[in-house]
Amino acid sequence: KQEVTQIPAALSVPEGENLVLNCSFTDSAIYNLQWFRQDPGKGLTSLLLIQSSQREQTSGRLNASLDKSSGRSTLYIAASQPGDSATYLCAVKTAGNKLTFGGGTRVLVKP
Amino acid sequence: NAGVTQTPKFQVLKTGQSMTLQCAQDMNHEYMSWYRQDPGMGLRLIHYSVGAGITDQGEVPNGYNVSRSTTEDFPLRLLSAAPSQTSVYFCASSYSWGSTEETQYFGPGTRLLVL
Repeated sequence: KQEVTQIPAALSVPEGENLVLNCSFTDSAIYNLQWFRQDPGKGLTSLLLIQSSQREQTSGRLNASLDKSSGRSTLYIAASQPGDSATYLCAVKTAGNKLTFGGGTRVLVKP
Repeated sequence: NAGVTQTPKFQVLKTGQSMTLQCAQDMNHEYMSWYRQDPGMGLRLIHYSVGAGITDQGEVPNGYNVSRSTTEDFPLRLLSAAPSQTSVYFCASSYSWGSTEETQYFGPGTRLLVL
């Protein structure tokens, strides 16, 4: 059974620092890995999607890497801003179009 | 497009009561699903549908029923609510079932409290 873990559960950084969020999964037989952002009381918004054949994806200040063999993905957010404060979730897609989510990392960027 | 909409936003039920959580999407998406989110446990799949008339169980289906009579709507029914069903419920959709390139679009969620 696929299990997805995100450590740490919470992270606090001063504005301007780079954020590094980790995601690990137990079964490397994935179709893709996605990073989502969730604001308090809101739904999930997709940030980046990495296909299983890809190593990384970039969008603006966001960069996500994928190492399928070791079961790890890292989301980098450069020059963090208070508006980046949110919960970040990773999810892996496996057979049957099913997403398995990690528990999320709650990020606070202090001005 | 309104995207994925969910109603109600918040609901309080007593144990044993029944209710239906509504989900609709206006993007002509084939695939729709329901998740529940509990603290520290991420999102867990309850039920999903790959098209009108077709539904299947996810990871935690007990206590929930679904049907998909139209492409747009995918309601989730709680037949006899229990305190363990207190959670935040999210509906999601994507254009195709088998694509590995598409993300899912999530609704804003329904917060359910069962007393």
